[in-house]
Amino acid sequence: DAGITQSPRHKVTETGTPVTLRCHQTENHRYMYWYRQDPGHGLRLIHYSYGVKDTDKGEVSDGYSVSRSKTEDFLLTLESATSSQTSVYFCAISESQGIGYTFGSGTRLTVV
Amino acid sequence: GIQVEQSPPDLILQEGANSTLRCNFSDSVNNLQWFHQNPWGQLINLFYIPSGTKQNGRLSATTVATERYSLLYISSSQTTDSGVYFCAVVGNSGNTPLVFGKGTRLSVIA
Repeated sequence: DAGITQSPRHKVTETGTPVTLRCHQTENHRYMYWYRQDPGHGLRLIHYSYGVKDTDKGEVSDGYSVSRSKTEDFLLTLESATSSQTSVYFCAISESQGIGYTFGSGTRLTVV
Repeated sequence: GIQVEQSPPDLILQEGANSTLRCNFSDSVNNLQWFHQNPWGQLINLFYIPSGTKQNGRLSATTVATERYSLLYISSSQTTDSGVYFCAVVGNSGNTPLVFGKGTRLSVIA
């Protein structure tokens, strides 16, 4: 197994509530990424991290924040969930930027 | 930023048929990868192929970087090949994460 886990796997939440998704790795990889997958859009980058406390925005970062306080954990927070954030969220890890991605199993988030 | 277009968006094949999936990109790249997402949602890296040709069993990929496209060939398709195939690139301009295309959804029927 690749040593990357996402939690929770499924979540239903109400509009306006904060939500945190967790990505945990046991590979000690430097890079971690959050993507969202929506029909007709493929995978779009939300945020990524290139080290502890080092993060940067992706294409669709509005309404999301991230934190990485230790190598193994990368948290994605929806500050005030909206229905447009209903999606499947994937975390990925890599040793080198953009190379050798390993994906987690995804989190299906529904905002009602 | 760099744009990635995949075609066709959907493809239905009879088991045993061959297929070619295409990925066009709008700028020079130093990194191109193909991924397969199975019907249960799991994403698997198939090829790292910024240029040239690689083969892995019934799958092969060719990238012609100068003409800004890549092709994924699937021969003797099987039902287990079903799913979505994504092309993803990193442009020459930087040390950045992968940018994904919208994918080709492949259905192989017995």
